[in-house]
Amino acid sequence: DAKTTQPNSMESNEEEPVHLPCNHSTISGTDYIHWYRQLPSQGPEYVIHGLTSNVNNRMASLAIAEDRKSSTLILHRATLRDAAVYYCLLSGTYKYIFGTGTRLKVLA
Amino acid sequence: DGGITQSPKYLFRKEGQNVTLSCEQNLNHDAMYWYRQDPGQGLRLIYYSQIVNDFQKGDIAEGYSVSREKKESFPLTVTSAQKNPTAFYLCASSIRSPGQFGSNQPQHFGDGTRLSIL
Repeated sequence: DAKTTQPNSMESNEEEPVHLPCNHSTISGTDYIHWYRQLPSQGPEYVIHGLTSNVNNRMASLAIAEDRKSSTLILHRATLRDAAVYYCLLSGTYKYIFGTGTRLKVLA
Repeated sequence: DGGITQSPKYLFRKEGQNVTLSCEQNLNHDAMYWYRQDPGQGLRLIYYSQIVNDFQKGDIAEGYSVSREKKESFPLTVTSAQKNPTAFYLCASSIRSPGQFGSNQPQHFGDGTRLSIL
């Protein structure tokens, strides 16, 4: 079965870049890689997604390894509002598999 | 503003009771989903629906039931057969991916319903 693995927690200083890793070694060829983030007692918020190429949007960048077995969410300048749990997930044909998430702590 | 509304925010159930969680969206999305989240864990898919009058079981459907009679509504019933129903329940919707589910379309989530057993 497909599975995603993330570190439980990470810390970053405010205004510094943050690299959040995700391993998905069992990814299938048609699976998309998505990232969401969640604040306490709220639903997850979409951040970014991609298939093979690196992706950028106003919130973050997504770097996908050439073999697609891992990816990295990049927050270019962390702010206190970026403190949340970040989930990597695989989305494909009749499957949508979330990892257990990384809790990001941003230090002022 | 378009979005997803889940109600109630908190719900309590007695042993042996069925309870129904509401999920309404005004995003005009065809696809809707129900997830369960336990403390410190990721989301697990309960049921999903790609179109009105059709729905499919997810990874943990036992003890749950759904209906999809209207495009904007996807209620979830937690039955007495669900032995450990205490959890945070999240509803989501997305544009339908033709021919497959959820692949490249972001999901929009509600703010969840927290269910507890009395």
